[in-house]
Formats: sequence, structure tokens, C-alpha cells
Amino acid sequence: DAGVTQSPTHLIKTRGQHVTLRCSPISGHKSVSWYQQVLGQGPQFIFQYYEKEERGRGNFPDRFSARQFPNYSSELNVNALLLGDSALYLCASSSGLGGSYNEQFFGPGTRLTVL
Amino acid sequence: KQEVTQIPAALSVPEGENLVLNCSFTDSAIYNLQWFRQDPGKGLTSLLLIQSSQREQTSGRLNASLDKSSGRSTLYIAASQPGDSATYLCAVTPGSNYQLIWGAGTKLIIKP
Repeated sequence: DAGVTQSPTHLIKTRGQHVTLRCSPISGHKSVSWYQQVLGQGPQFIFQYYEKEERGRGNFPDRFSARQFPNYSSELNVNALLLGDSALYLCASSSGLGGSYNEQFFGPGTRLTVL
Repeated sequence: KQEVTQIPAALSVPEGENLVLNCSFTDSAIYNLQWFRQDPGKGLTSLLLIQSSQREQTSGRLNASLDKSSGRSTLYIAASQPGDSATYLCAVTPGSNYQLIWGAGTKLIIKP
């Protein structure tokens, strides 16, 4: 069975541009979460979606937005890119919320570099 | 506000040694705690999940314990191998929501 997949693997953008990152969860998983990981630090929570509804939002500016589609895949959009947005963006899926259903499985990440 | 701390930040040991990685959290109201492994520039691999009602979980040479009352978890790695070299992160799911809150990780190097 395929795990969590993310595209693209790497991305280089310039300041002020817009970027869209994509994630496909494990088959049967209904929750997708997005995390930002800056080099040398632990990941920071950005969004969580469950059954296509936003269930949580981290402390990120409104330039960050996301959505989940009927097939449970998800997009993360970042507008007006800043140098500080350079990071590894991780997508995780879980079968549900709470208890063992919340065990999260991660994709390989998208490495975003903003020049 | 929940905070997660991992000590030490880096650890280097000879192959074959047993070792313990530490994770502490400030609020004992958690759903569960997960241990992950991250290889350089890569995504995260889930190692063990401990529910708040459990005391420990085992998988192969790995054993994770949880003491909610003291806000601590340990990851025990038996008979370490060079392939165990990676950064190990712990993350808790708070009782108030389902997002993960992370430590900064322990970078482990196993010397052949």
C-alpha cells in the first residue's frame, strides 16, 4: 500500500510569489495535517483537516491557507512568499481523530526554498 | 501552553551500546505521545505510539515508556547499530486538540 505522498519534492521560488503544495493521504485516512519544519527545529503545526473541514490552525499568518478535497487529498497554499518561509513542509495523515486514530503517518515532505 | 523538551540535543555512542533518549512535556493532559525518526533531509517515520492510558510500547529493539504524572517519556534502544543514526523526535497530542506538539529532537550518531 502506498504511504503518504507529497508533490513536488523540491521547489524554488522568489519572494512575493505564490506556491501550492499537494498531499495524498494513506488510503482510508480521512484526516490530513500540515507542518512546517525549519532546519534544526521540530515541526510546527500549520493546519489540520478532517472530513474536508478545518479542525485546527496553528500560529501562522493568513498568507497560509489549505483545503481538503472529497478524495481526502489536500493542498497547502502560501501567498506572498518570504525568505523565512523556506522550510521542509510535511504532510501527515491519520485515520481519524483522538486516541489511536490520531497516529500520524508522514510523507517525505516538500523542500521549499525562497530566494 | 504545552511545551516539549528533548535532552540531550545530540548523542554519540559506540555500536552495540544500549541507550536512552529523553522527552519531557509540561502539561500531563495528553491523548498520546509518539516517537519518530528522521533521516537527514527526509520525512518522519513513526516508531511508537503510546496512548495516555498506557505505560509502555515495544517494537523490536525499541521500547518507549510514558509517565504522565511526571511529564516524561523515554525511548530505549537496545544493541545500537550504525543504521540507527538519525534524529529522534517526540511529539504529544494535547488533550484539547489533535495537533502534534514537538520537541526539537535528539541527533543520534552510532559509531561503528
